Amino acid sequence: EVQLVQSGAEVKKPGESLKISCKGSGYSFTSYWIGWVRQMPGKGLEWMGIIYPGDSDTRYSPSFQGQVTISADKSISTAYLQWSSLRASDTAMYYCARHPKFSSGFRYFDYWGQGTLVTVSS
Amino acid sequence: EIVLTQSPGTLSLSPGERATLSCRASQSVSSSYLAWYQQKPGQAPRLLIYAASSRATGIPDRFSGSGSGTDFTLTISRMEAEDFAVYYCQQYGSSPEYTFGQGTKLEIK
Repeated sequence: EVQLVQSGAEVKKPGESLKISCKGSGYSFTSYWIGWVRQMPGKGLEWMGIIYPGDSDTRYSPSFQGQVTISADKSISTAYLQWSSLRASDTAMYYCARHPKFSSGFRYFDYWGQGTLVTVSS
Repeated sequence: EIVLTQSPGTLSLSPGERATLSCRASQSVSSSYLAWYQQKPGQAPRLLIYAASSRATGIPDRFSGSGSGTDFTLTISRMEAEDFAVYYCQQYGSSPEYTFGQGTKLEIK
């Protein structure tokens, strides 16, 4: 069974750093991309970026480039999303999601993590 | 940037009725790159349709997708209680590489 299990909810202060995780199981972690999607309270879905754990090829949405860092450790089948200095506007639910290889010809996210709620407040 | 506009914003239906959701793109989108998701309160999105018309694994056949170019449609042939949720379309194209529509909420009439 394919599963993406994300780390737990976080409460942080503005200016603090944070790294959240997404652990894949039940499939070959290095054969699929992992994307990150933000959902602010009561709002829609926003694509942040995507990484291919096989070779760490990473792409970012221009809206998030320079604001976050996406990485992966294929030895433990885990992808990460990190901030060096959080802002109150980073308060949101963050989802990781699996994406097939680009060579498949398709572009979609088929399995999703349960989400990590990040709250940034002084 | 390709903008996806979903309509209506909210659709009120009764169980058993047919739902027709629209997703219109500001520029032509490859059908291979158009997907639909369902999201229920407190849950992660779930993939329903990929490549505009292919049902994802385990999705009931009352869900169907169609369209091409700039106009895409998600149809639920007969609404069931579990189908009341928010639905998003998503496309892949020029930077930003992935965009989502703003969502259509299906509510019980």
